[in-house]
Amino acid sequence: SQQGEEDPQALSIQEGENATMNCSYKTSINNLQWYRQNSGRGLVHLILIRSNEREKHSGRLRVTLDTSKKSSSLLITASRAADTASYFCATDVYNQGGKLIFGQGTELSVKP
Amino acid sequence: DTEVTQTPKHLVMGMTNKKSLKCEQHMGHRAMYWYKQKAKKPPELMFVYSYEKLSINESVPSRFSPECPNSSLLNLHLHALQPEDSALYLCASSPGFRSSYEQYFGPGTRLTVT
Repeated sequence: SQQGEEDPQALSIQEGENATMNCSYKTSINNLQWYRQNSGRGLVHLILIRSNEREKHSGRLRVTLDTSKKSSSLLITASRAADTASYFCATDVYNQGGKLIFGQGTELSVKP
Repeated sequence: DTEVTQTPKHLVMGMTNKKSLKCEQHMGHRAMYWYKQKAKKPPELMFVYSYEKLSINESVPSRFSPECPNSSLLNLHLHALQPEDSALYLCASSPGFRSSYEQYFGPGTRLTVT
C-alpha cells in the first residue's frame, strides 16, 4: 500500500529561488528520509529525521516533520541548476525493520 | 569505499533467456536490497537480505530469484521474464536492517525485456 504521497508532482523554478516539496504519509513512523535521484541514476540519501524531531538542517536543506499532521517538507534554499532531480520521501513501516516505502516523488527543474 | 556497484549497466534479454544482475558493496554493510523502478515512479522494494538471510520477499514472481553468496555480494537471477518486467533495477545496502540507517544505492541496471 502507498505510504507517502508528495506534492507537487513537478516544480520548475529559477536558479537562486527556494524550492519546497511536501510529503504526507498514512501511518505512524519512527523515521522519515529524503532521497534525490538524478535522471535514470541511483538514489542519494539527503537527510533523515526522527519522529521526535521537528526540524533538521543540512547545508542548503531544511526538513520539517509534523507527526500530528503526518507530513514532512523539504526546503532547498538558493537552488542551483545542479539541484535538478527527482526528490523522494521514504517512511519506515511498523515492525518491519529497515523496510522503506517511497513517496511518488517531486520532479524539480531549476533553470539557469 | 562508500560505493555500491552494479553490473551490467544495461541488459536486453528475450523472454526465454536466463540472465543475472550483480551488486557489490565493500562497506561492511549487513543489509542488502533489490528495488524495481518504472519510469517516473518511486522505487518498489522486491527483496531484503539481512546477514545473508532473506528477510523480506515482497511477493515477487518466482521468475526473479535473489541470491546472497556472501556479505558483499547480491545477485538477482532472471528467467522467463515478461516485457512488463522492463525497468531500472536498483541495489542498495545499509549497515543493518533498521530504518534509522540510510540506504546506499547503486546506479542501477536498465533492463529491457523483448
